[in-house]
Amino acid sequence: DGGITQSPKYLFRKEGQNVTLSCEQNLNHDAMYWYRQDPGQGLRLIYYSQIVNDFQKGDIAEGYSVSREKKESFPLTVTSAQKNPTAFYLCASSTKRPGQGPNTGELFFGEGSRLTVL
Amino acid sequence: DQQVKQNSPSLSVQEGRISILNCDYTNSMFDYFLWYKKYPAEGPTFLISISSIKDKNEDGRFTVFLNKSAKHLSLHIVPSQPGDSAVYFCAASHTGTASKLTFGTGTRLQVTL
Repeated sequence: DGGITQSPKYLFRKEGQNVTLSCEQNLNHDAMYWYRQDPGQGLRLIYYSQIVNDFQKGDIAEGYSVSREKKESFPLTVTSAQKNPTAFYLCASSTKRPGQGPNTGELFFGEGSRLTVL
Repeated sequence: DQQVKQNSPSLSVQEGRISILNCDYTNSMFDYFLWYKKYPAEGPTFLISISSIKDKNEDGRFTVFLNKSAKHLSLHIVPSQPGDSAVYFCAASHTGTASKLTFGTGTRLQVTL
């Protein structure tokens, strides 16, 4: 079945450690996104990528890094520079790149990864 | 600066009644609006959307209304069912950013028996 797979579902990290969250999609979508969800704050955009080997910062990119070496994969690294890394992380993809064609805007989300820093 | 606002963090409705979830936005460039439904520990799923050229869009039990002059949209669920209990997020985008969405903070809907 087509979809977005995030792993791991739950992850614990000690302070000062980097951790990488995986996101894989087999929907053949060009655009991929990482959002963070905190209680009472909705979803905030961390990074997004419109095409392979290209990515842009979202609203809260500090302390995070990404890569887009393959169309299917968009891993997110939470670095030790991220001051409040404990959160629920959501990866999403879309057929539409920002600025491309009619605005339909639908995102398809993975099931999320919950990161807890001890 | 919260460009998309959902001022009601929670809502409780009896089964069979109408649920009305509200959303306000401040960015006049937004021209496409979406509602997502989210269960705990899962990713959001797309529910319904509306373009700014319309003021209403209906899909089964779900209807979204858009009032551009008031920068307000609402989601109506009729009749409400226990399975509708979830967190609902309003989201917006504009041509030029397409699927780069700005989300509200969510409203938790509880449908009681």
